[in-house]
Amino acid sequence: DSGVTQTPKHLITATGQRVTLRCSPRSGDLSVYWYQQSLDQGLQFLIQYYNGEERAKGNILERFSAQQFPDLHSELNLSSLELGDSALYFCASSVAAGSTNEKLFFGSGTQLSVL
Amino acid sequence: GENVEQHPSTLSVQEGDSAVIKCTYSDSASNYFPWYKQELGKGPQLIIDIRSNVGEKKDQRIAVTLNKTAKHFSLHITETQPEDSAVYFCAASPRDSSYKLIFGSGTRLLVRP
Repeated sequence: DSGVTQTPKHLITATGQRVTLRCSPRSGDLSVYWYQQSLDQGLQFLIQYYNGEERAKGNILERFSAQQFPDLHSELNLSSLELGDSALYFCASSVAAGSTNEKLFFGSGTQLSVL
Repeated sequence: GENVEQHPSTLSVQEGDSAVIKCTYSDSASNYFPWYKQELGKGPQLIIDIRSNVGEKKDQRIAVTLNKTAKHFSLHITETQPEDSAVYFCAASPRDSSYKLIFGSGTRLLVRP
């Protein structure tokens, strides 16, 4: 168990809908990362938050947004869903408190199916 | 930005043999290179990592080597066991204000009993 908690484990929805994925980082970790894993794209970095602030952005669509709350948990919001958004969404966390400790610990993911 | 290429995409070995997975990266400023193992239905799990000031690191049956000049690093698994069967990902961490990881495309390792 990595200590990173993601809910829900599975999500089935329809095109055009909006969903929210939730992540609780490991105790003491200040950074949260979101990754998308699809069969043809591998693990794609979406976005990083550090202590509530956006730190880095990757290949995140404008229909997607995220935030990190004062208790450090994070939510990834996916809207106007399309069939191609079906994927595994992983959250990871790290200390990233100004040190060089870049070890990322991943949750078990949320499997999103858009029908 | 950083780009990581990983080879091979699939690897099948006999139990007890060695397995080698290779990755190259593009950003010479990258300074951290972890390897993750992903089993079916689970998230990636960190198995070993190496920093740019080290050429080799070993942990029991697993070792990683780094060649900064050539910008490539490799994962070596010796005495493979069926439970080593999984997808392995290499990654690189660009030296910028974030600590994000850029992943390779993954190698599916099958260890035949």
